[in-house]
Amino acid sequence: AQTVTQSQPEMSVQEAETVTLSCTYDTSESDYYLFWYKQPPSRQMILVIRQEAYKQQNATENRFSVNFQKAAKSFSLKISDSQLGDAAMYFCAYRSSFYGGSQGNLIFGKGTKLSVKP
Amino acid sequence: EAGVTQFPSHSVIEKGQTVTLRCDPISGHDNLYWYRRVMGKEIKFLLHFVKESKQDESGMPNNRFLAERTGGTYSTLKVQPAELEDSGVYFCASSQVPEGTQYFGPGTRLLVL
Repeated sequence: AQTVTQSQPEMSVQEAETVTLSCTYDTSESDYYLFWYKQPPSRQMILVIRQEAYKQQNATENRFSVNFQKAAKSFSLKISDSQLGDAAMYFCAYRSSFYGGSQGNLIFGKGTKLSVKP
Repeated sequence: EAGVTQFPSHSVIEKGQTVTLRCDPISGHDNLYWYRRVMGKEIKFLLHFVKESKQDESGMPNNRFLAERTGGTYSTLKVQPAELEDSGVYFCASSQVPEGTQYFGPGTRLLVL
């Protein structure tokens, strides 16, 4: 079974600086998707960034980028120029690419709580 | 376009009582998922609907949990009778296709006393 591990329960970053959140996963599949979701306090979870395993190029979305290391099964999230609004719980998630059965569901890590200091 | 909505936002009940959670997916999204996060643990998958059919219910913890999606629109998740360990945040998500992005609702915080 696939697992996702986020080893940093909490992180802190100074406003305008860069922070990297770690995520590792375990799978025997060769094709899959990886996601970072963000849940601000008392608000709903939103997708930050998505990476297809078959793509070697790292995904980027504005100030958010990932470092996807398939061989190492690592998928870290880098937030550049951190803003106060980035303070949230960040969840790393895995999903198989095969349709049918249980493959539609997301497998989550425990999350990393990010604080941004002004 | 309205997002995924969930009702109620909070529920406090006593052990042995029944609670029903509701999820309204984004209009047109055939795929609806339920997840649960127990305090301090991972968000865990409960089940997946495709329209009104249960595609996968392998994450349902036991037969005290009953999910329905009559008509393929909104879904309900009933817990009967509730136990202390059922406390947590119940999330609903929807997507147009199974491989599509899942959009999450705000969650229902359930506390069983």
